[in-house]
Amino acid sequence: DAKTTQPPSMDCAEGRAANLPCNHSTISGNEYVYWYRQIHSQGPQYIIHGLKNNETNEMASLIITEDRKSSTLILPHATLRDTAVYYCIAFNAGNNRKLIWGLGTSLAVNP
Amino acid sequence: GAGVSQSPSNKVTEKGKDVELRCDPISGHTALYWYRQSLGQGLEFLIYFQGNSAPDKSGLPSDRFSAERTGGSVSTLTIQRTQQEDSAVYLCASSRTSGSTGELFFGEGSRLTVL
Repeated sequence: DAKTTQPPSMDCAEGRAANLPCNHSTISGNEYVYWYRQIHSQGPQYIIHGLKNNETNEMASLIITEDRKSSTLILPHATLRDTAVYYCIAFNAGNNRKLIWGLGTSLAVNP
Repeated sequence: GAGVSQSPSNKVTEKGKDVELRCDPISGHTALYWYRQSLGQGLEFLIYFQGNSAPDKSGLPSDRFSAERTGGSVSTLTIQRTQQEDSAVYLCASSRTSGSTGELFFGEGSRLTVL
């Protein structure tokens, strides 16, 4: 299973876009990129996932590079409630039905 | 409610005692997962149930840990003879399909403190 690498922490001003990077240089062709976030003292929350194409939903956008070795989660207008730890995970439904979690990026949205 | 429900939300126990943690998944979800999260750490996989298949127990840290899922719904995680290193938040998650999705729905967790 591909390992993902994320910066341990980031800051963002309220109202600005938050761009959270993830490196997954060893990702295989059938592994999806999933993003979750965990607000303090809560269970993780699914945000978005993708395989090759960029994806957008009501929470965020996911940009995956053409070589699939990295991706960026974009929160277009960060609010204070977006302060959380963000996890990027490579998931292979065929071989590994359990998500392997790293330490994520702790995002602080500042007023 | 419609989400994953876990109980108790907090449990304080003495070293050597047994504890049971309960998870009530979202109705109709066939896959159920247990994870634990120590302070400041990422999630550590414990066990995975999928329908009537044999569970994937590969993440259980010792034979003091066991889990059941009755009737394909409610699950109980049991820790026997608790140790201080068992202190953590135990998270349960469920998913709606046969495990081919990585979209999991998590409960709020059960915080276990072993004195």
